Amino acid sequence: DSGVTQTPKHLITATGQRVTLRCSPRSGDLSVYWYQQSLDQGLQFLIQYYNGEERAKGNILERFSAQQFPDLHSELNLSSLELGDSALYFCASSVGRAYNYGYTFGSGTRLTVV
Amino acid sequence: AQTVTQSQPEMSVQEAETVTLSCTYDTSESDYYLFWYKQPPSRQMILVIRQEAYKQQNATENRFSVNFQKAAKSFSLKISDSQLGDAAMYFCAYRSANFGNEKLTFGTGTRLTIIP
Repeated sequence: DSGVTQTPKHLITATGQRVTLRCSPRSGDLSVYWYQQSLDQGLQFLIQYYNGEERAKGNILERFSAQQFPDLHSELNLSSLELGDSALYFCASSVGRAYNYGYTFGSGTRLTVV
Repeated sequence: AQTVTQSQPEMSVQEAETVTLSCTYDTSESDYYLFWYKQPPSRQMILVIRQEAYKQQNATENRFSVNFQKAAKSFSLKISDSQLGDAAMYFCAYRSANFGNEKLTFGTGTRLTIIP
């Protein structure tokens, strides 16, 4: 157990629907990062939150949004889902700026859009 | 923007042998961090080893070591005494040391197969 908890582990939904992915960071970590990994691809950075505030944005679609709550858990909302949104979505957390520690990743949420 | 390139989509090695995975990156920054992550079939992302760009000494973690060539922007991973549990996708990743730019940029990965 890495200490980063993602729920649900699997999600199957239909095109056009909306889903919410949840992430609880490791205790003490202030930063949360969301990444998308399509089939057999590298991880693409979506968005970062630090202590409740958006810190950085990557190639995140307008149909996607995220937030970090006062208890530091984060949610990634995906709406108007398309087949191409099927992917593994990772959350990672770090202490502040992470420095040389890298991140601690959760086990991911596998989203299948049918 | 920084980019990370892994030119070997697949590699294989005999059990107990040594294998080297290649990674190159492009950046105009002088201070940054480099990482190798392992993703086994479980899909969990596991940190294997990290290197600070300001350190000349190559990082080592047990059977894993890196060859960091800053001028050449090269960061290869050597796995010694390969074991069946080393079979996985390996991703090279870059992180800036600049404040506010803390995302990881990943390469496309190398799938490592261990031959018994």
